[in-house]
Amino acid sequence: DVKVTQSSRYLVKRTGEKVFLECVQDMDHENMFWYRQDPGLGLRLIYFSYDVKMKEKGDIPEGYSVSREKKERFSLILESASTNQTSMYLCASSTGQGAVYEQYFGPGTRLTVT
Amino acid sequence: GQQLNQSPQSMFIQEGEDVSMNCTSSSIFNTWLWYKQDPGEGPVLLIALYKAGELTSNGRLTAQFGITRKDSFLNISASIPSDVGIYFCAGQVRDFGNEKLTFGTGTRLTIIP
Repeated sequence: DVKVTQSSRYLVKRTGEKVFLECVQDMDHENMFWYRQDPGLGLRLIYFSYDVKMKEKGDIPEGYSVSREKKERFSLILESASTNQTSMYLCASSTGQGAVYEQYFGPGTRLTVT
Repeated sequence: GQQLNQSPQSMFIQEGEDVSMNCTSSSIFNTWLWYKQDPGEGPVLLIALYKAGELTSNGRLTAQFGITRKDSFLNISASIPSDVGIYFCAGQVRDFGNEKLTFGTGTRLTIIP
C-alpha cells in the first residue's frame, strides 16, 4: 500500500514564526504536492514537484515555499506564519510513470496560527 | 483555480439506501478519480477511471467515466454507517508534465438513524 506520512497531525504556531511541514512517501513516487483545504474553498494547490530539487507554483503559492532535497521528502515552509494561513494542509504523491496518475494523500496537518 | 461542479452538495439518507452523485466540468478530462474524506483525515482514493464510458466497481461503489469526458458518476449501494463522509471527484488532463488534479466541491453524505 502507498503510504504518505506527515510530520504532525496538529500544530499551533504564533504569528511571524517560521513553520516547517514535512511529508514523506514510501512508494518511490516522482511527483509530490502540497494542498490546503478550507471550508467552502475545497482543495487548493500550493506547490508541487516533479523531481528532486524541482518545484512548481500551484494556484496559491504566496506566503509559502517548498524544498525537495530527497525524492521521498517534500517540505512546505511558511516563512512568516500569519493567521490567514490557519488551515488543513494535505500532502500527496503520485508516480509519473506509465498510465498510473492517482494521487495518494497523507492524513493532513491541521495548523492553527494565533 | 478551477473547481468541478459536484452535486448534490449534501445528502441525508437512511441506512440501506442507494446513493448517487455526479461531477461535471466544462473541460474534457482524461482521468477521473473519486476520493472519500473522513473528518480530520486526508482523502482516500476509492476509484480511478481512465477511459470514456468506463464503468468500474470497488465493492459497493461503482463509478462511471462519462462518454463526453466532461462528467463522472459515483453510486453507492446499500449504504452503511461507515459510508458517512465527504466524497470528492477529481479530474486530470494527464499531459506529460501536468499531473495537477482539478477537484470537485464535495458531496457530504450523512446517514440518518
